[in-house]
Amino acid sequence: GIQVEQSPPDLILQEGANSTLRCNFSDSVNNLQWFHQNPWGQLINLFYIPSGTKQNGRLSATTVATERYSLLYISSSQTTDSGVYFCAVEIPTNAGKSTFGDGTTLTVKP
Amino acid sequence: DAGVIQSPRHEVTEMGQEVTLRCKPISGHNSLFWYRQTMMRGLELLIYFNNNVPIDDSGMPEDRFSAKMPNASFSTLKIQPSEPRDSAVYFCASSFGVRRFQYFGAGTRLSVL
Repeated sequence: GIQVEQSPPDLILQEGANSTLRCNFSDSVNNLQWFHQNPWGQLINLFYIPSGTKQNGRLSATTVATERYSLLYISSSQTTDSGVYFCAVEIPTNAGKSTFGDGTTLTVKP
Repeated sequence: DAGVIQSPRHEVTEMGQEVTLRCKPISGHNSLFWYRQTMMRGLELLIYFNNNVPIDDSGMPEDRFSAKMPNASFSTLKIQPSEPRDSAVYFCASSFGVRRFQYFGAGTRLSVL
């Protein structure tokens, strides 16, 4: 099956810093989503981004499907950004079946 | 909308008992997904439904697991009999179409002793 690798596995930032999280995938995809799991376990969908660039406040994401990667940018990080960030991909032949990466654990210190 | 509602939030049971997890998707959504999260295996898709029909159950670990969606507003995931290795957080998510933004419930934390 498709392999999804996220990097870095762990990231510690000072409040106010910027960061870039990466998601590499081993096969063509027709869907990619970024999720944030907060310290209380709640999963929140950040972006649905099979290709191109999207922005939502301090967060933005870019997917380059032809090169099989996606990036999540967090600017001016806040302590509430702490948690685990997952990317999840779907292959064209199996719509709906998401494969998740192992996540990047982000800790933002005040 | 209240979002995706899962119940119970926590379940503690003994090995061999039947466990039923429940999910109410967001009204109007026609796709529903069941996931399991463990430290060892991360987040895994167990099964998903589209228009109440199971589309892919290849992630269901074994015959002890079963899922139903009798109508558009309710789904269950049943484990019978339960085993300690089933201990995990089980999430339900819904979306409008299978290739769309998924909204997750708060999860059910299951502990099988």
